[in-house]
Amino acid sequence: EAGVTQFPSHSVIEKGQTVTLRCDPISGHDNLYWYRRVMGKEIKFLLHFVKESKQDESGMPNNRFLAERTGGTYSTLKVQPAELEDSGVYFCASSALGAGGGNTEAFFGQGTRLTVV
Amino acid sequence: GNSVTQMEGPVTLSEEAFLTINCTYTATGYPSLFWYVQYPGEGLQLLLKATKADDKGSNKGFEATYRKETTSFHLEKGSVQVSDSAVYFCALRGQGGATNKLIFGTGTLLAVQP
Repeated sequence: EAGVTQFPSHSVIEKGQTVTLRCDPISGHDNLYWYRRVMGKEIKFLLHFVKESKQDESGMPNNRFLAERTGGTYSTLKVQPAELEDSGVYFCASSALGAGGGNTEAFFGQGTRLTVV
Repeated sequence: GNSVTQMEGPVTLSEEAFLTINCTYTATGYPSLFWYVQYPGEGLQLLLKATKADDKGSNKGFEATYRKETTSFHLEKGSVQVSDSAVYFCALRGQGGATNKLIFGTGTLLAVQP
């Protein structure tokens, strides 16, 4: 079974440009999460989808970031316009809905390394 | 709010040495605690977890015990191998709430030399 897949693996863009990251979760996983690790710092939560709905977007840094999950399958994270401080590794994770709303293991993708120059 | 503090790296050890990576947390209630590992070129993988006080998580020779009294979840391994070289992240998931988000520490790079 395929794991969580992220595209691209690396992206180098200039300040002011737009970049779109994609995440394909494990088939059947309704929970989808985005996280980000800025160089040398902790991995920070960005947002959480349950199916196509945003359950929690409290970690989104500002309105230059837009996440979508149309149809409740894959998700995209768009940064427009990109700034230097957006550089980092963006991780996607997915998990199944647990029985009675309980927690299940989250599986992570390899991440997308974004460099804004 | 909830937070995780783990020892800074890099940690460099010789093969068969004993490993400890310290992790402490701040949280209300009874969070679940995790160690994730990221091997070079790969994504994050769950290494072990503990969901209540005094639980011990273990996997691949690694162990960590959930200590409520010291709010700690230190990672240990008795004899490291070169293949254990990776970045290790301590994390917690808060009790309750509508989201299952994880709160991570800064990560500790472990380099094991032959």
